[in-house]
Amino acid sequence: DAKTTQPPSMDCAEGRAANLPCNHSTISGNEYVYWYRQIHSQGPQYIIHGLKNNETNEMASLIITEDRKSSTLILPHATLRDTAVYYCIVRSAWANNLFFGTGTRLTVIP
Amino acid sequence: KAGVTQTPRYLIKTRGQQVTLSCSPISGHRSVSWYQQTPGQGLQFLFEYFSETQRNKGNFPGRFSGRQFSNSRSEMNVSTLELGDSALYLCASSLESGAGGAFFGQGTRLTVV
Repeated sequence: DAKTTQPPSMDCAEGRAANLPCNHSTISGNEYVYWYRQIHSQGPQYIIHGLKNNETNEMASLIITEDRKSSTLILPHATLRDTAVYYCIVRSAWANNLFFGTGTRLTVIP
Repeated sequence: KAGVTQTPRYLIKTRGQQVTLSCSPISGHRSVSWYQQTPGQGLQFLFEYFSETQRNKGNFPGRFSGRQFSNSRSEMNVSTLELGDSALYLCASSLESGAGGAFFGQGTRLTVV
């Protein structure tokens, strides 16, 4: 079922931009890219989603390549509170079932 | 605006018992999904309800069931509990099926002894 590939872990210095990559080479035309994060033992938190255009909100930016086979989540100024597991999920427009892979464990270092 | 509320937060049950967990979605959200999270299997989709109808179902045995009420509140039930059912059960609500982000509650931590 895995539709996305993410590195298992990454470190980022506090205050620097965190760039989290995701590969979704089998994405189809009606599938969106979603990003969530989960801070230890809490419910996952929605961050951002996009179809083919780059998106930005108050939390992050999402850059999707032109061929839509990969994307990057950017946290512009990482803080210690951004330490979490980040999940990249591909989801069709008409289904609410999210497939969570293993995600990327981001550690922000002081 | 209140978030997704799950009750209870913690629960301890004995093998063979049954359990009912509750989820109140964000006001105005009509879609409720349930997930199970364990250290070994990660986050797995259980089922989704929209307008009181089950729309999608994950790969879980029939001991896991759910329902949704007219006010969009949802319950999930697990019968004949097994030790392996110990997990964090998460509920997520969305505006409607397939649109926008899903917002998760804090979960119910179920321990089966």
